[in-house]
Amino acid sequence: DAGVTQSPTHLIKTRGQQVTLRCSPKSGHDTVSWYQQALGQGPQFIFQYYEEEERQRGNFPDRFSGHQFPNYSSELNVNALLLGDSALYLCASSPGDQETQYFGPGTRLLVL
Amino acid sequence: AQSVTQLGSHVSVSEGALVLLRCNYSSSVPPYLFWYVQYPNQGLQLLLKYTSAATLVKGINGFEAEFKKSETSFHLTKPSAHMSDAAEYFCAVSERGYRDDKIIFGKGTRLHILP
Repeated sequence: DAGVTQSPTHLIKTRGQQVTLRCSPKSGHDTVSWYQQALGQGPQFIFQYYEEEERQRGNFPDRFSGHQFPNYSSELNVNALLLGDSALYLCASSPGDQETQYFGPGTRLLVL
Repeated sequence: AQSVTQLGSHVSVSEGALVLLRCNYSSSVPPYLFWYVQYPNQGLQLLLKYTSAATLVKGINGFEAEFKKSETSFHLTKPSAHMSDAAEYFCAVSERGYRDDKIIFGKGTRLHILP
């Protein structure tokens, strides 16, 4: 059983560009959450998707948007990239009846 | 608002010694509590979780944590450290009663194991 997978593993962009990160949840999981982990910090909640809708959102600007597909996979989009967006972006999935989130390996984004 | 405070950004212990990583939480409702471990250049792996079933929670790799409501603490311990335990450890909290609620993480404690 594959765990949570994310792509790409690494990405380099320049300021002002747009980026799309992808996440496939564990089999049987219908909820996907995204987190940003800056260097030396704990992960910070960006938003959560369930039934293809954004259910919760953290304190992130509208430049951060997402999508969930019918197969429960998800995308994180960031527009107008800033240097401060450089971080490890983690996706986590969970099944509908449990509180535990399972994390993927992350996508490391570097904005130059 | 929920929050988590991890005491000590770096902790060093000798191989074979007791590991103690401290975590205090703040929550207006009974919490779910978690410890995650992160190895270099990897994602987060769940070590253990507290969901009210028992105050002493046993996790993987010999770790355990005790929920103490009176102290609002959820410290992580392991009787004997191993070199492979060197990693970053995150304490986290989420609100009980909310399905798949967001998780609030502490800033992390980097555990160093001395030979």
